[in-house]
Amino acid sequence: QQQVKQSPQSLIVQKGGISIINCAYENTAFDYFPWYQQFPGKGPALLIAIRPDVSEKKEGRFTISFNKSAKQFSLHIMDSQPGDSATYFCAASMRAAGNKLTFGGGTRVLVKP
Amino acid sequence: GAGVSQSPRYKVAKRGQDVALRCDPISGHVSLFWYQQALGQGPEFLTYFQNEAQLDKSGLPSDRFFAERPEGSVSTLKIQRTQQEDSAVYLCASSLGLAGGQETQYFGPGTRLLVL
Repeated sequence: QQQVKQSPQSLIVQKGGISIINCAYENTAFDYFPWYQQFPGKGPALLIAIRPDVSEKKEGRFTISFNKSAKQFSLHIMDSQPGDSATYFCAASMRAAGNKLTFGGGTRVLVKP
Repeated sequence: GAGVSQSPRYKVAKRGQDVALRCDPISGHVSLFWYQQALGQGPEFLTYFQNEAQLDKSGLPSDRFFAERPEGSVSTLKIQRTQQEDSAVYLCASSLGLAGGQETQYFGPGTRLLVL
């Protein structure tokens, strides 16, 4: 059972454009929703995270929008740069389950200069 | 400071061989997680330790997979009688482990296992 579904699988954006990645979850017990960035040959690194009592969180060029009723959340990357080219994973976890992360399938982002 | 380290970075095994993958978490981190990442997929949870106690091993795919953390720091993931479907990147992550908290998990670079 895929508990976190992520789309699109890949996207290409011009430098300066906006990248938007969407995720949907099924388990309403999830209480923490992080986004991770992964470069080839590296482990995932936390980018930004949100809790379900907040509808939006912004850190620099990265914004999470969260819709609890729709069980959806999204990552917006503003002013995309070539250095943002990476694979992005949404994830979800719950304290009651030891905070183990359930990941989406990933989105490969390519920012063209 | 030092992050999570894993060794070896690459491992090639013949089908049927046993392998052992090592994880050195960030010093002082109580919680340690193992994940398996197949090519082009998101990581999938394998098992979780709090100090030396293995609190959740629900993600281990078979009884050929075994993990330990005997002194509450370094952890080893062992795979017995490796099969081709075990080929993947094995990621280790650690976090502070504050009671009731939701904390950042810091990932190591992973061990890429190829079973021939």
